[in-house]
This record gives sequence, structure tokens and C-alpha cells, in this order.
Amino acid sequence: AQRVTQPEKLLSVFKGAPVELKCNYSYSGSPELFWYVQYSRQRLQLLLRHISRESIKGFTADLNKGETSFHLKKPFAQEEDSAMYYCALADYGQNFVFGPGTRLSVLP
Amino acid sequence: EADIYQTPRYLVIGTGKKITLECSQTMGHDKMYWYQQDPGMELHLIHYSYGVNSTEKGDLSSESTVSRIRTEHFPLTLESARPSHTSQYLCASEDSHRGKTYEQYFGPGTRLTVT
Repeated sequence: AQRVTQPEKLLSVFKGAPVELKCNYSYSGSPELFWYVQYSRQRLQLLLRHISRESIKGFTADLNKGETSFHLKKPFAQEEDSAMYYCALADYGQNFVFGPGTRLSVLP
Repeated sequence: EADIYQTPRYLVIGTGKKITLECSQTMGHDKMYWYQQDPGMELHLIHYSYGVNSTEKGDLSSESTVSRIRTEHFPLTLESARPSHTSQYLCASEDSHRGKTYEQYFGPGTRLTVT
């Protein structure tokens, strides 16, 4: 069965520090991986997806099939990055599986 | 404007009442989903639909039912609300034509409180 784990429920960093939100998955095929973000009082929205290989708001994520990981990284965190981040996995044509989420708090 | 709408946004209701949470999308998406999410917690899939006249149960049994009579409309009904149903309910849609997976678009949510 597909499974997504995010080991940290809460991650606090200072403004300007690097941040890495961890995501590991278990899936035997070739999944598509996503990061979704939910800012306070806003809708859950897509941040980035691995096939796009792009940087959104300074965030990047690399799919490591050997380690079955899809960690989200940003070199210099900003206060406006504070939010809930969800890693998600999908097989083509199938449903999404969301991880439990990590709350990122960027301190001034 | 193409969007996904949920009504009501907030609902407080007594135990035993029947309620329907509305979800509509104007994006022409075929797949639609209902999730239950306690604030700041993980999402639990309740129901989903591949298209008109298609409904499937998700991982979380919430004693609810859904219908998909029209592409744009995917209402969720609780026949008898209980305090354990107190949560936020998120509706989402996805354009999954050709069997491929695209991003899910989420509605603003309905926060339900059962007293």
C-alpha cells in the first residue's frame, strides 16, 4: 500500500536559516510526488511537483528513488513561509495519499 | 471565474440532525474528493468520484454518503450528525482525463461543529 511519512510534526527555524522538511514514501511503482502548503486561513494549495523540477517561492524538492524520499528545501527561510506543509503521493490515475503534515514556524 | 466552492463555510448543528455539505466546481474536472481534516492535522479521504454516477468510499468511514449527479456538484450528507463528526471538511477536484494525475484544487472548507 502507498504510504507517506513526515517525521517532524513541528519544525522551527530562524529567519534566514536553511530549512528542510522531510518526506519519505513507500510505493513499489513510479509515483508522482507533490508538496502542498496551507497558510493560515488559506486553502490548501499545490506548492510544487517533482516532474516540474522547478523552484517555487525558493523551495525545491528532489525525488530520490533510492532513499524513497522527497524532501523539501529552502536555503533561506522567510517568516511568510510559516505554514503547514503536506507531502503527497499519487499513482497515475489513482488517488492521492497525503502525509501527516509538518508545521513550519519561521522565527524572526 | 473557475473555482471550487463550498457552502456553508461554518455550521453548528445539534446531534441527530441531517446535514448536507455542498461542493461545486466550475473547472470541468472529472474527479472530486471529500477529505476530513482536524485543524493542522492530516487529511483523511472520506469519499471520491471519478465522474457522474461514480462514487467510492475512502479510507475513513464517516457514516456519510455522497452523490454525483452532475459533473460540477458533489454534495456530502451526514444522515445523523454526532459530536465525533466535528471537524473541517475539504472538497477537492482534479482533472484526471487520460488516466493521468494532475494537481488537486481545494475548496475553502466547511468547519462543522456538532453539539
